[in-house]
Amino acid sequence: NAGVMQNPRHLVRRRGQEARLRCSPMKGHSHVYWYRQLPEEGLKFMVYLQKENIIDESGMPKERFSAEFPKEGPSILRIQQVVRGDSAAYFCASSPGSPEAFFGQGTRLTVV
Amino acid sequence: QKEVEQDPGPLSVPEGAIVSLNCTYSNSAFQYFMWYRQYSRKGPELLMYTYSSGNKEDGRFTAQVDKSSKYISLFIRDSQPSDSATYLCAMKDVGDGLTFGKGTHLIIQP
Repeated sequence: NAGVMQNPRHLVRRRGQEARLRCSPMKGHSHVYWYRQLPEEGLKFMVYLQKENIIDESGMPKERFSAEFPKEGPSILRIQQVVRGDSAAYFCASSPGSPEAFFGQGTRLTVV
Repeated sequence: QKEVEQDPGPLSVPEGAIVSLNCTYSNSAFQYFMWYRQYSRKGPELLMYTYSSGNKEDGRFTAQVDKSSKYISLFIRDSQPSDSATYLCAMKDVGDGLTFGKGTHLIIQP
């Protein structure tokens, strides 16, 4: 039973480019959460999705960031026109609907 | 006032000691409480999950929740060098994402 899969593990983008982060939840899990972790900071909630629906995006920056979880395929976190401040580790977690959430290994985004 | 307060450490203890890790919080709506372990450059790993006040034990780990004091603890017995990691407390209300503490960096000295 594979865990939460995130790819790529490392992503380097130049300022102004787009970053796409992918997350495949654990089998049987239909709830996906995205978190961001900055150096020396804790994990910050960004968005909560179920299949084809955004449930809570209160932690998402209002501009340049979007997320989706289509009926088929992985969840995608998209960052347009990246800036240096977007450099961070982005983690995805999945849940079957219970409060427990299981995390992937993260995508480390570096904006140069 | 931050929602979840957690001493970042580092906390250094000798192998075999009992470790006590703690968090305080301000949001009385939190109902679910978790502890995660995170090794450097890895994803958080769920250790313990508790609902409401009380104790829960799993092997060498014991989680305590005191909702009246808004205080949660994780105890590690017979600590081992492999327990050296950052420990994150996290909590949530129904339907919300997790709110995390900043994590405590734990070092177990052989």
